Amino acid sequence: GENVEQHPSTLSVQEGDSAVIKCTYSDSASNYFPWYKQELGKRPQLIIDIRSNVGEKKDQRIAVTLNKTAKHFSLHITETQPEDSAVYFCAAAAGKSTFGDGTTLTVKP
Amino acid sequence: DGGITQSPKYLFRKEGQNVTLSCEQNLNHDAMYWYRQDPGQGLRLIYYSQIVNDFQKGDIAEGYSVSREKKESFPLTVTSAQKNPTAFYLCASSIRVTSLLGGEQFFGPGTRLTVL
Repeated sequence: GENVEQHPSTLSVQEGDSAVIKCTYSDSASNYFPWYKQELGKRPQLIIDIRSNVGEKKDQRIAVTLNKTAKHFSLHITETQPEDSAVYFCAAAAGKSTFGDGTTLTVKP
Repeated sequence: DGGITQSPKYLFRKEGQNVTLSCEQNLNHDAMYWYRQDPGQGLRLIYYSQIVNDFQKGDIAEGYSVSREKKESFPLTVTSAQKNPTAFYLCASSIRVTSLLGGEQFFGPGTRLTVL
């Protein structure tokens, strides 16, 4: 089955800095790569996703890049703000999704 | 945050008892999922269903059972055979997915189960 590894497990940045979270996957059949944000005590919510026919996607301060050859994809958050503090999960899907273990991002004011 | 609901929010169970967690959605989604979330371990898939009266085991199905008698509902039973049931349980739904088409999952607020 699919295996998704996510790094780092924790990330602390100063407000205004950039944050990068990386994921690797094992199944070359995976074709959908979503990122979810889970704030403390709340449900995960999709923040951005990318499909295998696209190399990069951007939405304001958030971007995702995908390297199919190397089987890795990354989340980039620029100009971080304290409200970006949360747990971020990547996932890889060929049908059902397999999630990474999550990254706890802390943005210090 | 409407669309997919779970109840109860907190649940306490004595060891040896079965307990059923509720999940309801009004998004007209075909697919529904149950995940278990433990600290530092992400979301692990317990069961999923793509259509009424059909469901498949996920990665950690042992000690759990589900039913899908209605499109809107996908209850999860945690049986006494589940050795370590204390966890946060999340239900999700999506459009029907195939190996060629993945889709956003919409999550419920979760149920925190504690075994006493």
